[in-house]
Amino acid sequence: DVKVTQSSRYLVKRTGEKVFLECVQDMDHENMFWYRQDPGLGLRLIYFSYDVKMKEKGDIPEGYSVSREKKERFSLILESASTNQTSMYLCASSLGGATSEQFFGPGTRLTVL
Amino acid sequence: SQELEQSPQSLIVQEGKNLTINCTSSKTLYGLYWYKQKYGEGLIFLMMLQKGGEEKSHEKITAKLDEKKQQSSLHITASQPSHAGIYLCGAAVSNFGNEKLTFGTGTRLTIIP
Repeated sequence: DVKVTQSSRYLVKRTGEKVFLECVQDMDHENMFWYRQDPGLGLRLIYFSYDVKMKEKGDIPEGYSVSREKKERFSLILESASTNQTSMYLCASSLGGATSEQFFGPGTRLTVL
Repeated sequence: SQELEQSPQSLIVQEGKNLTINCTSSKTLYGLYWYKQKYGEGLIFLMMLQKGGEEKSHEKITAKLDEKKQQSSLHITASQPSHAGIYLCGAAVSNFGNEKLTFGTGTRLTIIP
């Protein structure tokens, strides 16, 4: 089975802190994604990566950056956390191609105080 | 951009009853994915539909994609407490591989005994 793991289930940070969210997948998937999920807004794509060192902006990239130095790991970085970044963050990976479903991690609930 | 509308937003159903959740797109769907999310957790892949008129079933859950490929329905027969959660539809934004998905806002399903 595909396994996508995220470094923390719950995280509390202060405004202005630099925050790293880590995601690791163990199935050699090409694509990796970071979403945030908010009530009433659903899942929104922040960034995605289709190869090592490659990244593309999603729908809401402002205030975030990403890093993919190795195929299995995709990091989301909040350079200076703000209260409006309090959210549930979900990482996903997919093999790539026409029938490629995304496999999701358990999520990280981030609270910025 | 592609928008997905799910209805209803929430649903309370007595155990044993049937129910249907709908997902409607403003554009042609090139791939439609159904996911289930338990509260506060990641998404679990249920089914993927690609062809107009396609129907798939898994245990007591059936998903259909209409001929015009703009609407999908998820039907649960004889609902059980284990069916409770949030159901999300996601759609591929192009037919050149399905790397990016747009998600609906979800339907929260509650099963009462």
